[in-house]
Amino acid sequence: DSGVTQTPKHLITATGQRVTLRCSPRSGDLSVYWYQQSLDQGLQFLIQYYNGEERAKGNILERFSAQQFPDLHSELNLSSLELGDSALYFCASSTGQGGYEQYFGPGTRLTVT
Amino acid sequence: GENVEQHPSTLSVQEGDSAVIKCTYSDSASNYFPWYKQELGKRPQLIIDIRSNVGEKKDQRIAVTLNKTAKHFSLHITETQPEDSAVYFCAASMPYNTDKLIFGTGTRLQVFP
Repeated sequence: DSGVTQTPKHLITATGQRVTLRCSPRSGDLSVYWYQQSLDQGLQFLIQYYNGEERAKGNILERFSAQQFPDLHSELNLSSLELGDSALYFCASSTGQGGYEQYFGPGTRLTVT
Repeated sequence: GENVEQHPSTLSVQEGDSAVIKCTYSDSASNYFPWYKQELGKRPQLIIDIRSNVGEKKDQRIAVTLNKTAKHFSLHITETQPEDSAVYFCAASMPYNTDKLIFGTGTRLQVFP
């Protein structure tokens, strides 16, 4: 167990809908990262937050947004869902202070039908 | 630009043999290089990492070597076992105002009994 939690574990929804994925980082970690992993693909970096502020952006679609709250948990919002958005979404956390080690949560498997 | 190349994409070995996976990074300022193991449907797990001030690091059957001049690093697994079968990802740090990681595309390792 990495100490990073994600909910829900599975999510099935229809095209055009909107969903919210939630992540709680390890105790003491200030940075949260979101990744998308499609079937048999690599880890696509979406976005990073550090202590409530956006720090780095990757290949995140305009239909996707994220935020990090004062208690440091983060939410990834996916809207106008398409079939191609079906994937595993991982959250990872790190201290955010040059430590670099990232610890991943168990992921949320999103299926868009 | 930010890039990490990883080879091979698939690797099959007999139980007891060694396995080597190689990665090349593009940014000479990268100074942290982790390796993750991901079993099917599970989270990526950090298995070993190395920082730029060290040339080699070992942990039981796994080792990582780093050549900063050539900008490449490798994962070595000795005496492979069937439970080593997984996808392995290398990564390199991007230190500019962020501690995000750039991941390689992954290597699927299969160890046959």
